[in-house]
Amino acid sequence: AQRVTQPEKLLSVFKGAPVELKCNYSYSGSPELFWYVQYSRQRLQLLLRHISRESIKGFTADLNKGETSFHLKKPFAQEEDSAMYYCALSRPGSGNTGKLIFGQGTTLQVKP
Amino acid sequence: DVKVTQSSRYLVKRTGEKVFLECVQDMDHENMFWYRQDPGLGLRLIYFSYDVKMKEKGDIPEGYSVSREKKERFSLILESASTNQTSMYLCASSLIAGGSTYEQYFGPGTRLTVT
Repeated sequence: AQRVTQPEKLLSVFKGAPVELKCNYSYSGSPELFWYVQYSRQRLQLLLRHISRESIKGFTADLNKGETSFHLKKPFAQEEDSAMYYCALSRPGSGNTGKLIFGQGTTLQVKP
Repeated sequence: DVKVTQSSRYLVKRTGEKVFLECVQDMDHENMFWYRQDPGLGLRLIYFSYDVKMKEKGDIPEGYSVSREKKERFSLILESASTNQTSMYLCASSLIAGGSTYEQYFGPGTRLTVT
């Protein structure tokens, strides 16, 4: 079955340190992957998607099909990056539904 | 700017009550979703709708039903609330996907406590 795994419930780093939030997926075809973020007292929102190959708020994520990973990285963490991050996989075979499979989420805590 | 609104931010209900959670989106999106958000479990899909009166079960539909009588409104119904349905409920909407999956826009959530 298709699955998304985020192995860390909590990642705590100091301001200015590099950040890597891990995401592994299980799917044998061509995946469509996303990172969503929820800041404190805000609604969940899209951060980035792999097909755009963009950098948002300094974050990038590279799809590694060999390792079935889509880790989220930022070279220098800022305090305002503290949030809950979810990795998500577009459900294979879902047609036009746009349904997603979400990981368990990782809380990023950036300390001053 | 897409707006997804949910009828209540906080709700406290008693075991056995029938509970209605309402969601409204103002961007003419075809797809609407209801999720549960629980610590350590992430977001789990309860029900999905791709058109008026059309619905599909998600991963955890037991104990829930939905209604979509108008395109902009998607309601989640707890037929007989139980304590294990205490959770944060998130509604989302998106356009119909073409070649790729469109962004889902989320509401602020309803924190439901069943006592």
